[in-house]
Amino acid sequence: AQRVTQPEKLLSVFKGAPVELKCNYSYSGSPELFWYVQYSRQRLQLLLRHISRESIKGFTADLNKGETSFHLKKPFAQEEDSAMYYCALSAGGSQGNLIFGKGTKLSVKP
Amino acid sequence: EPEVTQTPSHQVTQMGQEVILRCVPISNHLYFYWYRQILGQKVEFLVSFYNNEISEKSEIFDDQFSVERPDGSNFTLKIRSTKLEDSAMYFCASRVEQGNTEAFFGQGTRLTVV
Repeated sequence: AQRVTQPEKLLSVFKGAPVELKCNYSYSGSPELFWYVQYSRQRLQLLLRHISRESIKGFTADLNKGETSFHLKKPFAQEEDSAMYYCALSAGGSQGNLIFGKGTKLSVKP
Repeated sequence: EPEVTQTPSHQVTQMGQEVILRCVPISNHLYFYWYRQILGQKVEFLVSFYNNEISEKSEIFDDQFSVERPDGSNFTLKIRSTKLEDSAMYFCASRVEQGNTEAFFGQGTRLTVV
């Protein structure tokens, strides 16, 4: 079954500390993975996707097929990074339906 | 910057009533979706829509749900006879094309069934 697991509901760090938001997936084919972010009172928006191999707002995520993981990392957290983060898997087929994890709330304290 | 727009932002309805949630996707997008998020739970896929028909739907999307694109700009989700468990945040999303492209989400409609 296709599934995305984010084991932490809440992650609290101090400003300047490294951050790692965990995401594991279960998928039989070649996965397409994304991180979406939802800042307070705002809409879900794409943060990054694995195929782009890009760094957005200092965040990176590497797809590890052996560990079926797509953890989101940032070396130095900022207060404005506080938000809900959702890992998502694009389901098979051309329609691109997303399967979301439960989300992790990141709280960066001053 | 173009956005997906959803109305209303909050809808309260009595159990058994019909509701229509409205979405205006980004104008050049071709793929449309509805998701929902029950409070405290994950965002769940409901249905995808392409070329004026449903392309895929989840188990949640039973006979009480329907979608329509009545006029080329709006994309609606109708719940025919609401139940208490339909209370959730409903998100509309759209994409320009298939493949590994970004889905743009609306702000959501909070549906409360009383």
